[in-house]
Amino acid sequence: EDQVTQSPEALRLQEGESSSLNCSYTVSGLRGLFWYRQDPGKGPEFLFTLYSAGEEKEKERLKATLTKKESFLHITAPKPEDSATYLCAVQAGGSARQLTFGSGTQLTVLP
Amino acid sequence: ETGVTQTPRHLVMGMTNKKSLKCEQHLGHNAMYWYKQSAKKPLELMFVYSLEERVENNSVPSRFSPECPNSSHLFLHLHTLQPEDSALYLCASSRDRTGGKQYFGPGTRLTVT
Repeated sequence: EDQVTQSPEALRLQEGESSSLNCSYTVSGLRGLFWYRQDPGKGPEFLFTLYSAGEEKEKERLKATLTKKESFLHITAPKPEDSATYLCAVQAGGSARQLTFGSGTQLTVLP
Repeated sequence: ETGVTQTPRHLVMGMTNKKSLKCEQHLGHNAMYWYKQSAKKPLELMFVYSLEERVENNSVPSRFSPECPNSSHLFLHLHTLQPEDSALYLCASSRDRTGGKQYFGPGTRLTVT
């Protein structure tokens, strides 16, 4: 059974204080790992897809990295508008290519 | 409108009511999904439709009944719900059913009293 564990559950940072969110996973044949951002009262919004260990993707202050067992979402010099819940999901190979989501990390960036 | 829209945004219903949630995607996608999101729990996939055919049903109780009349519209018909069914119900779409890049609607906040 595919599993995704995100840590920490919640993280409070001061504006400009860089940090990382963790997503550990077990999956039979990783097809892709996905990061989404969810703001209160909204649906998740796609951020990145990572396909193989060693791959990195960047977008503004965010950088996602992938190893064979986990992914990190690095946030450099965050701003209050980066406050959101960040969700990680994995997609296995095979015929049933559902996404398995983690519970998310709720990030709060204080001004 | 663009993207994925859902109506209503909020719904309060009694345990004996019947109601429906509506989702519409304006992206030309071929796959649509219903998810349930409860507090502090991961998103739970409920149903997947691909080209209007249901391809996944993740052991969802029969009090939830999906309908996909065409590739742009998805409904979730609700009847005889339980209080534990209170949650945020999210609709999503993707280019095809193998796509992990999904586009989500804003959700319907459902409260069962």
